[in-house]
Amino acid sequence: EVQLLESGGGLVQPGGSLRLSCAASGFTFSTYAMSWVRQAPGKGLEWVSGINGGGDITYYADSVKGRFTISRDNSKNTLDLQMNSLRADDTAVYYCAKDRGTMIRGANWGQGTLVTVSS
Amino acid sequence: QTVVTQEPSFSVSPGGTVTLTCGLSSGSVSTSYYPSWYQQTPGQAPRALIYSTNTRSSGVPDRFSGSILGNKAALTITGAQADDESDYYCVLYIGGGISVFGGGTKLTVL
Repeated sequence: EVQLLESGGGLVQPGGSLRLSCAASGFTFSTYAMSWVRQAPGKGLEWVSGINGGGDITYYADSVKGRFTISRDNSKNTLDLQMNSLRADDTAVYYCAKDRGTMIRGANWGQGTLVTVSS
Repeated sequence: QTVVTQEPSFSVSPGGTVTLTCGLSSGSVSTSYYPSWYQQTPGQAPRALIYSTNTRSSGVPDRFSGSILGNKAALTITGAQADDESDYYCVLYIGGGISVFGGGTKLTVL
């Protein structure tokens, strides 16, 4: 059974940094692309970033490009999202998702971790 | 900037059929956009329903189906049930590794 468990969310001040992690199990982690998707309170889903199975190709939405960095450690089956220069509009639940491929996102989802950016 | 459009809300009677759509602010949706659909109930993570236009995810009942209708991707629910009342999101692959979600449709079953 695929399991994805996010951690690292919390309250951070505007301009601050936070690192999210996602622990994956139940599948061969290194062979799947992964994504981060977020959902602001009361709003819809927003794809944020993706990474290929090998970890050497990354993609970002324009809204986070240059501020967020996605990475993975295939030896530990973990996916990370380093978030810098955080803004109030980054406040959201952040979901880790296992993709079917670069073009097909979100086959399986974690339960999410809440990031609140506020002073 | 690519905008993916969905109906903000829709209602269906129990046992009825409803078709939700997923379009582009500029242009037509085709299978090359690999449209996928997700169901989300309040407080829960999204659940994958359909991928690559019309392939059902594992465990999804066959009353959920996907297609291209005209210039949009479509999700059809046949024989709607009370527990189908949820938010439904589509996502399109727009190239360069980038995916864009629609704003979601709130489906009411009444």
